[in-house]
Amino acid sequence: ETGVTQSPTHLIKTRGQQVTLRCSSQSGHNTVSWYQQALGQGPQFIFQYYREEENGRGNFPPRFSGLQFPNYSSELNVNALELDDSALYLCASSQPGGAQETQYFGPGTRLLVL
Amino acid sequence: AQSVTQLDSQVPVFEEAPVELRCNYSSSVSVYLFWYVQYPNQGLQLLLKYLSGSTLVKGINGFEAEFNKSQTSFHLRKPSVHISDTAEYFCAVTGTDSWGKLQFGAGTQVVVTP
Repeated sequence: ETGVTQSPTHLIKTRGQQVTLRCSSQSGHNTVSWYQQALGQGPQFIFQYYREEENGRGNFPPRFSGLQFPNYSSELNVNALELDDSALYLCASSQPGGAQETQYFGPGTRLLVL
Repeated sequence: AQSVTQLDSQVPVFEEAPVELRCNYSSSVSVYLFWYVQYPNQGLQLLLKYLSGSTLVKGINGFEAEFNKSQTSFHLRKPSVHISDTAEYFCAVTGTDSWGKLQFGAGTQVVVTP
């Protein structure tokens, strides 16, 4: 157990819909990173939030957006869902502290787009 | 930017035999390197990390990895595997200037049989 929780665990949507995924960070962590893991592939970095501001983004279109709240929990929003958005979405929390920082991953939300 | 290549998509191994998982990376800057394990229907768990110092890194569950800068490799080893080591293993890299934005390899599936 890492202390990072995600909700919901599973989700089914149809193409064109919008979805919001949620992540609660481990206590004391102020940085959250989101990753997309398609079936049979490694996770791909979507973006990172540090103290409620976006702090870096991977190669994902603007319909992927996020928020971080004052309690450092976070949301990932995906608009205009496409079939290829079907994946496991992972969030990871960390506490910037130089070289000792470690990212702790949640169990993920599995999204299926039909 | 960084990239990671895991040279084996699947590694079958007998219980109590040694295993080596190969990982090569490319980067134009100094890097931090990681190995994560993913059990079925779960998130990622950190096995070990290389930040600096000794090139031989020891992790949890008897795993170790060796950083070789000249060969840009970070291979993972375990001298004697157990059935419970059956899982997907991911090598990941981040630049020392982009901490927390991990680039993952495609993964190596380890299947341990009696």
